[in-house]
This record gives sequence, C-alpha cells and structure tokens, in this order.
Amino acid sequence: GAVVSQHPSRVICKSGTSVKIECRSLDFQATTMFWYRQFPKQSLMLMATSNEGSKATYEQGVEKDKFLINHASLTLSTLTVTSAHPEDSSFYICSARWLEGGFTDTQYFGPGTRLTVL
Amino acid sequence: GQNIDQPTEMTATEGAIVQINCTYQTSGFNGLFWYQQHAGEAPTFLSYNVLDGLEEKGRFSSFLSRSKGYSYLLLKELQMKDSASYLCALTGAGSYQLTFGKGTKLSVIP
Repeated sequence: GAVVSQHPSRVICKSGTSVKIECRSLDFQATTMFWYRQFPKQSLMLMATSNEGSKATYEQGVEKDKFLINHASLTLSTLTVTSAHPEDSSFYICSARWLEGGFTDTQYFGPGTRLTVL
Repeated sequence: GQNIDQPTEMTATEGAIVQINCTYQTSGFNGLFWYQQHAGEAPTFLSYNVLDGLEEKGRFSSFLSRSKGYSYLLLKELQMKDSASYLCALTGAGSYQLTFGKGTKLSVIP
C-alpha cells in the first residue's frame, strides 16, 4: 500500500502563533491531497482538497485565510494554521489520493498531527 | 447530499465474528470504503467496494448492495487488537472526495 507521512506528529503553540503541518506521499505521486480535522469522539471532517499546482478548494465554513494550503509538488502539501486559537486545537489528518492500477481510487492517510493551542 | 448511518458502538468476544452495518443515502454513488481507526491515530484503509457483492481480504470482508444503499464489514476470528473504530465512507458520482460516517467503536473482550 501507499505510505503517507505527516510532520509534526504533535505540536503545542501559543495563541496567536502560526503552525505549519507537512504531508508527504513517500512512494507515489499524489496529484490530489486532502486535509481533514477530527475533534474528540467525532468523525473526520473534510476541510479542503489540495491539487498540485493550483489553489485549494475549501469546504463550506472553513476559512481559507486562516488555513493556508500549499501543494507545491506531487509529493508535498502543507497546511498552515495562522493566528491559532484554542478552538483550533484538534487532530489534523492529511490523505493522498492514489489511483491504483487505474481502477481502485483510494485515499491513504498520514498519521495525523495533534495540535494544542494554549 | 450524502447521509451515512452506522451503529455507534458494538462489543464482541475474542475469536468470534462480528458484522458492522452501514446504510447510506446519496444522490450519486462512486465507491464505498471501510477504514479502521485506533484511538489517537489516523484511519487505515481496509477495503473498497464499487460493485455489488462480497470482497474478501483475509479476516476482513466487505459487502455492498447499491440498490439497498447497504454495506457491511465482517471481521472473523476477532483479536484484541481489532478493538478500534470502523469508519464507513463513500465517494459520490464523479467525485473522489470521501464523506465519512461517524464510525462504529468496536470493543473486543476476552
């Protein structure tokens, strides 16, 4: 299966600072990556879809100026949480889309980043 | 829009078989996925169904009936490490974006 890495795994920051999270597809090229957020005991909520070389598409209710997404290459997408506040504390997970054999269209997830804003 | 329903919690005994059901309503259908998520970790891909029928992968099998908007995940020979949340997710017609159900928390007891 495809491997997706995410860095950092945990981050604690002060309110008002910015945090960058990296998502990498290690053994395949991902033209599309996704960013999710998961609050405790809730399901994954899609924040945005990131396409290499173009602007990200944000889901309704997600502030694009607060959550900056850059998909600069076929193996790297970054999410920057700007001016973080305690309510942004969550588990952020990226996934990369892999078209296996031209048929199975699957998303593989990174290990997630737990963000705590003090 | 899309709506996905699955039981919130289930408990089963080590060595037994458990079936986790998922029903969905969607205006268009592309594929149905099952993911496993241990507490504090990201989801791990288990299976993908695009056609009706049963897909078997070792101890895990997934079934799909598109006409009934129904899927299930079957886990055989349960092990303690199978205790996790199981997420049903689907992609709509012409889309590769996943919509997740709320997940079923499975507890395997000795």
